[in-house]
Amino acid sequence: GAVVSQHPSRVICKSGTSVKIECRSLDFQATTMFWYRQFPKQSLMLMATSNEGSKATYEQGVEKDKFLINHASLTLSTLTVTSAHPEDSSFYICSARDRGRGRSNQPQHFGDGTRLSIL
Amino acid sequence: KQEVTQIPAALSVPEGENLVLNCSFTDSAIYNLQWFRQDPGKGLTSLLLIQSSQREQTSGRLNASLDKSSGRSTLYIAASQPGDSATYLCAVDTGRRALTFGSGTRLQVQP
Repeated sequence: GAVVSQHPSRVICKSGTSVKIECRSLDFQATTMFWYRQFPKQSLMLMATSNEGSKATYEQGVEKDKFLINHASLTLSTLTVTSAHPEDSSFYICSARDRGRGRSNQPQHFGDGTRLSIL
Repeated sequence: KQEVTQIPAALSVPEGENLVLNCSFTDSAIYNLQWFRQDPGKGLTSLLLIQSSQREQTSGRLNASLDKSSGRSTLYIAASQPGDSATYLCAVDTGRRALTFGSGTRLQVQP
């Protein structure tokens, strides 16, 4: 079945560090990938939509200069948290849908998430 | 703006019980609705996807129903087991391609 790989699974670093998270679709192509953030005991909130070959679309309240998204190929999107601070500590998770298949009957496939802890 | 609500927020049941988790959404114009399972500190596992034209989907002990006109979905778990303990999330695809999630139901099945 379709698999989305997310790396790293856990990051602990000092305040001010920039952290890059990778999201790969392993056996399908995705022109669009999504980045979500989840705070403890809360649901997933969409941060941005990553578009292959073009600029990402950010949700209201999400700083695009803080959360840099690059979608350089049909199987890879990266999220870079720049100059991370403790308030950026969260669970970040990406998802993708196979672009070659119909919209309504295809599930989104999620990575296993990245637990980011900023000290 | 689409809003998704899940009730109850938490549920604790003894092993073997049948249970129902509820999900409601405010905008009935959806492509599909998906139910996920999330274990603590982990990512999401897709359980069932119901297309907007469908009424229900079944997988093993799980059955999900969809009443699009009333903006409701239920996830029925038969003969619950301790291994079913997790947070269950419902999410709708409303045309923005990203999913809108509910806040989840934390299920604990007692042995």
